[in-house]
Order: sequence, then C-alpha cells, then structure tokens
Amino acid sequence: ELKVEQNPLFLSMQEGKNYTIYCNYSTTSDRLYWYRQDPGKSLESLFVLLSNGAVKQEGRLMASLDTKARLSTLHITAAVHDLSATYFCAVDARSGGSNYKLTFGKGTLLTVNP
Amino acid sequence: ETGVTQTPRHLVMGMTNKKSLKCEQHLGHNAMYWYKQSAKKPLELMFVYNFKEQTENNSVPSRFSPECPNSSHLFLHLHTLQPEDSALYLCASSHLSLGEQYFGPGTRLTVT
Repeated sequence: ELKVEQNPLFLSMQEGKNYTIYCNYSTTSDRLYWYRQDPGKSLESLFVLLSNGAVKQEGRLMASLDTKARLSTLHITAAVHDLSATYFCAVDARSGGSNYKLTFGKGTLLTVNP
Repeated sequence: ETGVTQTPRHLVMGMTNKKSLKCEQHLGHNAMYWYKQSAKKPLELMFVYNFKEQTENNSVPSRFSPECPNSSHLFLHLHTLQPEDSALYLCASSHLSLGEQYFGPGTRLTVT
C-alpha cells in the first residue's frame, strides 16, 4: 500500500523568509502532484511532476521530484501572506487497468505572518 | 471558474434521510472520482469511474451509493448516514491517459 508523508504538517513563517515542504512516498512512482487548498475551498492544481529530476516553478513556489529518493520538495521563496493555505502532495499509484489513483499526503498548513 | 461543479454546496441531513450529491464536469474528461475530506485525516478516495464504469470502490460502506449515468455526471446517493460521515465531499475528474485531477468546490455535509 502506497504511503505518502508530508512534513511539516504545520508551518508558520514570516513574510520574506524561505522554507521547504517535503513529500516522501513509499513505492515506485514517477508522477507526483502538488495542490493548494484555501480554507473552505476546493483543491487547486499547482504542479504536475512527471519524471525524475522534474522541476517546475510558478512565482514564489518551486517543486521538484527525485524518484530514486521517492521525494518531492515544494520550496517557498520570500513568502508572502497570500501563500497562506494548505498544500497537499499526491502520488500516482495506478490501480488495475489504466486508472490513475492518487494517494494524498495529510497536507501542510502554511501560515505566513507579516 | 472551475470546470467541475458540485451541488449542493452545503447539506444538513438527519440520519434517516436520503439525499444525493451531484457532480458535473465540463472538461471532456473520461474519469470521475469521489473523495471524502474529514478534519485531521488525509483525503480519502471513495470511488472511481472510467467511461461510466466503476473501477474502484475503496471499501466504502453501502450507505454511500455512487451512480455515473455518463462520463460528465456523477452522483453520490446517501442514506442512513452516521454523524461520523460529516465531511467535505469532493468530486474530481481527469483524462484516463493523464493523471492530473481537477476538483470541484465540494459539498460540506453535516449529519445530525
């Protein structure tokens, strides 16, 4: 059974600081997704990482994937308040046939303080 | 505006009621999913449908009954629920050949 672990689960940081969220998973996969969820809202897709060494950047967020280490990171640069949200990583674990089945981490609640 | 819509957005029901949640996707996808999101728990996959056929039932109690009449619509029929079933229920869709899932806004369900 695929297990996905995120850490930290809670992150309080000051504006302007840098930090990294880690996502470890337990079985082989080369597809990993990062989502953002604002309070009371649904999940918004941030990054799709489809191969070893993949790196994607959008604004102050950068995500990377190391399939050999079974590790993805979400790096936050010079945080701003608008980044406050819960961030989830999700790993593809194909079920029977051609289904894509995502297993989600517990999420990291990020709070950026002025 | 999300390409996946869900109704109702909020639902309060008693344990003896029967209700249904509706999901519609406008993205031309061929796979649809139901997830449950409870406080302090990871997002839990409940059901998967490919081209209207159910391909995954993640040990979900029978008081939850999914229906997928076509690849654009997905329902979750609810009956005799328990208070612990209170949660946010999220619908998602994707292309079978691509893993990225697009989520609807969710239905906040409270069982009293």
